[in-house]
Amino acid sequence: EPEVTQTPSHQVTQMGQEVILRCVPISNHLYFYWYRQILGQKVEFLVSFYNNEISEKSEIFDDQFSVERPDGSNFTLKIRSTKLEDSAMYFCASRGTIKQFFGPGTRLTVL
Amino acid sequence: DAKTTQPPSMDCAEGRAANLPCNHSTISGNEYVYWYRQIHSQGPQYIIHGLKNNETNEMASLIITEDRKSSTLILPHATLRDTAVYYCIVSLARGGNKLTFGTGTQLKVEL
Repeated sequence: EPEVTQTPSHQVTQMGQEVILRCVPISNHLYFYWYRQILGQKVEFLVSFYNNEISEKSEIFDDQFSVERPDGSNFTLKIRSTKLEDSAMYFCASRGTIKQFFGPGTRLTVL
Repeated sequence: DAKTTQPPSMDCAEGRAANLPCNHSTISGNEYVYWYRQIHSQGPQYIIHGLKNNETNEMASLIITEDRKSSTLILPHATLRDTAVYYCIVSLARGGNKLTFGTGTQLKVEL
């Protein structure tokens, strides 16, 4: 069965550094998402992406965040200047028609 | 998106059916009911979805009341591997279709 994949599985960075989290959505899907989950808290929606543009974003997704689909397969989340509070699991998801499928996540640790 | 209410936790004996309830009294006519689960800190896993009719797949059954204000996820023969947090989510199937996760039900399957 097709899967959403994410790299790296764990990223450690220093506060103020830029990070790029990578995702390979399921190949025939058209909608792409990023969610995050701070340890012990709910899964939170960050952004949805369709037809090469952001279709919706949450209050969390401020100017420090950006998304890109640089080629036909990858979908990336960039955090320009990481803060301690950005430490979380970041999940990518993709959707064909109705169902969203999630990747295994990237654990981001900001020191 | 309509809000959902789920019990915080439930226990189930292995091999027995697990029935997880969800209230979504403010659901609108074009919103689907989705069920996902999350095992430890893994990515949420799609289980099943429905609009009006009851649905069944290889993982579970979904029973939606006639007024659509509540639903029940049924795992017919729970195993230890079904121990997870189960999320009932109401969302449109079109457009951005972001998923709004609540705190879910922690299902513990025991011997």
